[in-house]
Amino acid sequence: AQSVAQPEDQVNVAEGNPLTVKCTYSVSGNPYLFWYVQYPNRGLQFLLKYITGDNLVKGSYGFEAEFNKSQTSFHLKKPSALVSDSALYFCAVRDGFSGGYNKLIFGAGTRLAVHP
Amino acid sequence: ETGVTQTPRHLVMGMTNKKSLKCEQHLGHNAMYWYKQSAKKPLELMFVYSLEERVENNSVPSRFSPECPNSSHLFLHLHTLQPEDSALYLCASSQGASRGQGADGYTFGSGTRLTVV
Repeated sequence: AQSVAQPEDQVNVAEGNPLTVKCTYSVSGNPYLFWYVQYPNRGLQFLLKYITGDNLVKGSYGFEAEFNKSQTSFHLKKPSALVSDSALYFCAVRDGFSGGYNKLIFGAGTRLAVHP
Repeated sequence: ETGVTQTPRHLVMGMTNKKSLKCEQHLGHNAMYWYKQSAKKPLELMFVYSLEERVENNSVPSRFSPECPNSSHLFLHLHTLQPEDSALYLCASSQGASRGQGADGYTFGSGTRLTVV
């Protein structure tokens, strides 16, 4: 079965420092990978995705993610964190087409706290 | 706005009440989803509708009853809820009803914060 893991419940980083939020996946075939962000009392917002092509994917708000096939990872990164980046981040992998729809499997989420 | 609208944003209801949550999308998507998000728990997929047919029902108690009258609207009817049902209920939609789709992921609404008293 396809799965996605976010090994850290929380990541703390100082404003201006680089940040990394980790994600590893297990999937048969070529993965479709996604990152979403959730601010308090809001829904999940799409940040970026990897489908095919360049391993470094750029997304919204200055975020990027690196697809690493050998390590089955898709870590989210930003060169310089902002306090406003503090939120809950979800990694997701497409579980293929089963049961009549395209299924996304979401990780448990990682809370990012950026301190001034 | 994401293109997926959920109403109401907040709802407080007693355990004997009946209420409904509404989700609306005009993105031309053909699959719609209900998720439950409780504090310190992973997202729980509750129901999936694909081309207006329910295709997944993840062991959700019968006090939650979904309805999908057309491809743009999704409801979650609630009755005799319990305090542990208090959570953020998220609706999402996607182009996801055929095998070649799925590259765009899901679009989420802002959620309904439900409190059962």
